[in-house]
Amino acid sequence: AQTVTQSQPEMSVQEAETVTLSCTYDTSESNYYLFWYKQPPSRQMILVIRQEAYKQQNATENRFSVNFQKAAKSFSLKISDSQLGDTAMYFCAFTPYSGGGADGLTFGKGTHLIIQP
Amino acid sequence: GAVVSQHPSWVICKSGTSVKIECRSLDFQATTMFWYRQFPKQSLMLMATSNEGSKATYEQGVEKDKFLINHASLTLSTLTVTSAHPEDSSFYICSAADSRYGYTFGSGTRLTVV
Repeated sequence: AQTVTQSQPEMSVQEAETVTLSCTYDTSESNYYLFWYKQPPSRQMILVIRQEAYKQQNATENRFSVNFQKAAKSFSLKISDSQLGDTAMYFCAFTPYSGGGADGLTFGKGTHLIIQP
Repeated sequence: GAVVSQHPSWVICKSGTSVKIECRSLDFQATTMFWYRQFPKQSLMLMATSNEGSKATYEQGVEKDKFLINHASLTLSTLTVTSAHPEDSSFYICSAADSRYGYTFGSGTRLTVV
């Protein structure tokens, strides 16, 4: 079984600052996917970024980037030039790569990110 | 992009009654659908995985007789909470998976059992 750990229950930064959310995971799988999801007060889950474990290059999506350290089983999310709209719960998630099918996601407990004006 | 429609968005029911929640993939066919449960200020917990035309696979600790899942087509999965009790009150979220879009989530259903 896999586990996902987010050690920061809440973080608060000023608008325009850079913030890094941490995530570690434990698995015996060699190939898998990692995700960061954003859940605003509407509770709609929004994909922020996805990383495939076999790709060494860190994924980036505009202001969002990850630092994927496979050996350390670490997957942190960096948000640059933070905006008020970034205020939300952020969940790190894991799924093994199962070839033709799909497995469900294992989520961390989440980090509540607050962007202060 | 991919859209998953989940209905109702909220429902209040009396203890002992059953409630059905629908999850539809609107513009793609989902090979697999998932149901999650989220308690207030907590994370999402996977309840079950369903594939079209086959029985759902439930996670350990989830009562399959209480949470009935039907996946009749590649675009529709339903979750029925049978004989609901106050402890079943929660936020239920469905997710559909396909090879192109990955995982797409519905907007969730807030269930309150009184």
